[in-house]
Parts: sequence; structure tokens; C-alpha cells
Amino acid sequence: GESVGLHLPTLSVQEGDNSIINCAYSNSASDYFIWYKQESGKGPQFIIDIRSNMDKRQGQRVTVLLNKTVKHLSLQIAATQPGDSAVYFCAEKPGSSASKIIFGSGTRLSIRP
Amino acid sequence: NAGVTQTPKFRILKIGQSMTLQCAQDMNHNYMYWYRQDPGMGLKLIYYSVGAGITDKGEVPNGYNVSRSTTEDFPLRLELAAPSQTSVYFCASSKKTGTYNEQFFGPGTRLTVL
Repeated sequence: GESVGLHLPTLSVQEGDNSIINCAYSNSASDYFIWYKQESGKGPQFIIDIRSNMDKRQGQRVTVLLNKTVKHLSLQIAATQPGDSAVYFCAEKPGSSASKIIFGSGTRLSIRP
Repeated sequence: NAGVTQTPKFRILKIGQSMTLQCAQDMNHNYMYWYRQDPGMGLKLIYYSVGAGITDKGEVPNGYNVSRSTTEDFPLRLELAAPSQTSVYFCASSKKTGTYNEQFFGPGTRLTVL
């Protein structure tokens, strides 16, 4: 079946360093991928997305990389700040669906002062 | 805009009780979704709707029902609460934009079934 998984459940990063959060997906027909940030006690919040015809997309301090050959997605956060502490989820949209997305299990990012 | 709102924020139910989780959005979004999130896990899709009068099952629909009589509201009904339904429930909405599907989430309802 379809699944989206993450390599590491937790990640601890020094403040100011770059963070890299990885995600593996299994559905080669997925055509759209999203990263969400979830702070404690809140709902997920959209960070950045990427279509399957792209391999890189940049936002403000964040970059998403997509490697379709190995079905791997990563989120890079530059100059990590205390406010970046959260759980990060990758999600994929199967090409067969116009409306549903499938979430991975999440990576908790903690920042060391 | 208030975005996506959910009520209640917290609820404790006894086994066998029923309740309705309310969800409303004021962004005129076509699509609405219900997810559950168990501790330390990702979100599992329960039900979704692509427009008023249309609903469909997600990954984990058993034990739940939904209705979509208006564009704005998408209530989730638990008829016979079970301990396995203890979870945090999130409602989300999105515009119909083809490939793109940025979902906006509500703050969640934390449900405990004892």
C-alpha cells in the first residue's frame, strides 16, 4: 500500500546550524509533496511544497529537495532558530487523487542553545 | 477570516456515548477533511468532502460518520465511542486547485474515551 515514512523520529540541532529532515515515500505515482510544521498543541501548518516535475524549491530559509530516483524528499532549514522547534511532517499526494494527501509519521526537531 | 475553527477543544466521553465534533471554515474552500492523530504519529484521514453534499471515506472511517450540508461546515459524528477513538482530531480545508492542495488546519479537538 501507500506509505510515507521518515528516516529519523527525532533530530537535535545547534541553534544557528542548518537542519536537514529526511523523508522516504513509496508511491512512485505521487505528483505533489508538502512539508508541514506542527508546534505543540496546534494543527499542522504548511511550510513548502514541490511538484514531481521539480527537484528543488526554495522558500524563506527553507529548501525542499526531491529525488524521484530513490523516492526521497528532504527539508533543509537554514540557520535554525528556537522557533523552528516542532514536529515536521512530509506528505504526498498520489497522482490518482485530486484531493487526498498521505502524511508521514513526523520528525521532532529540537534546538540546542 | 477566522480560517478553520473546531469545537470543542477538549472532550471526555464514556464508552458507548456519542458526540459530534464541529468544524467550520470561512474561506469558501471546496474541500474539507477530518484527520485523527494518535500520540507520536502522523495524521490519518478519516473522511473527506470535495463539496457540499459529497463525502468519501479516507483510511480509517470505521466508527465515524460525516455530513456536508453546506460549504462551510463539516461535522464529524462518533456514534458509539470506544477507547480506540482516543486521539486528537484535526479538521482541514483546501481550495480546488488541481495539483496543488495546501490544506489549512484547525486547532484540533482532543478526545479521550474512558
